[in-house]
Amino acid sequence: AQSVTQPDIHITVSEGASLELRCNYSYGATPYLFWYVQSPGQGLQLLLKYFSGDTLVQGIKGFEAEFKRSQSSFNLRKPSVHWSDAAEYFCAVGDMEYGNKLVFGAGTILRVKS
Amino acid sequence: DSGVTQTPKHLITATGQRVTLRCSPRSGDLSVYWYQQSLDQGLQFLIQYYNGEERAKGNILERFSAQQFPDLHSELNLSSLELGDSALYFCASSAGLGNTGELFFGEGSRLTVL
Repeated sequence: AQSVTQPDIHITVSEGASLELRCNYSYGATPYLFWYVQSPGQGLQLLLKYFSGDTLVQGIKGFEAEFKRSQSSFNLRKPSVHWSDAAEYFCAVGDMEYGNKLVFGAGTILRVKS
Repeated sequence: DSGVTQTPKHLITATGQRVTLRCSPRSGDLSVYWYQQSLDQGLQFLIQYYNGEERAKGNILERFSAQQFPDLHSELNLSSLELGDSALYFCASSAGLGNTGELFFGEGSRLTVL
């Protein structure tokens, strides 16, 4: 079955520092991969997605992610974090064989210190 | 604003009761998904409907049921409520089965069972 692992439950970075959130997936075929962000009291907003092609994908708010098939990873990065980036981040893999549902990781809570 | 509307935003009820959560998908979207988010289980897929028919089922309890109506809105019915059912329930929508899997999420309905 498809699964997603986000090994870091919490991450704290200083404002202006770079960020990398880790995501590993398990999926038999070529995966559809997503990163969503959830601010407190809000729904999930799509940051970026990977379906095929260029393994480095750009998203909103200055985020990017790189798909590495050999490592089954899809890590999210941002070169300079802003205080407004504090939120919870979810990696997800699309189960295209069964209804197109998304399987989510447990999430990583990002704290930004000034 | 994702275009997905969920009501009510907050709901407090007692054990043993029954509640109905409502979701209006984005205009034109045929698929509706329900997810449950709790601290201990994370984001769990419950069920998906496509154009009125059940398409995929996840970890949905027998006490829970859902349907999608001809106007494409969906309702999630939770009955014989238990304390452990307290959670944030998200509805998401997507264009259809053949799309690339991107889901658009509502802001959720927070259910508290006392």
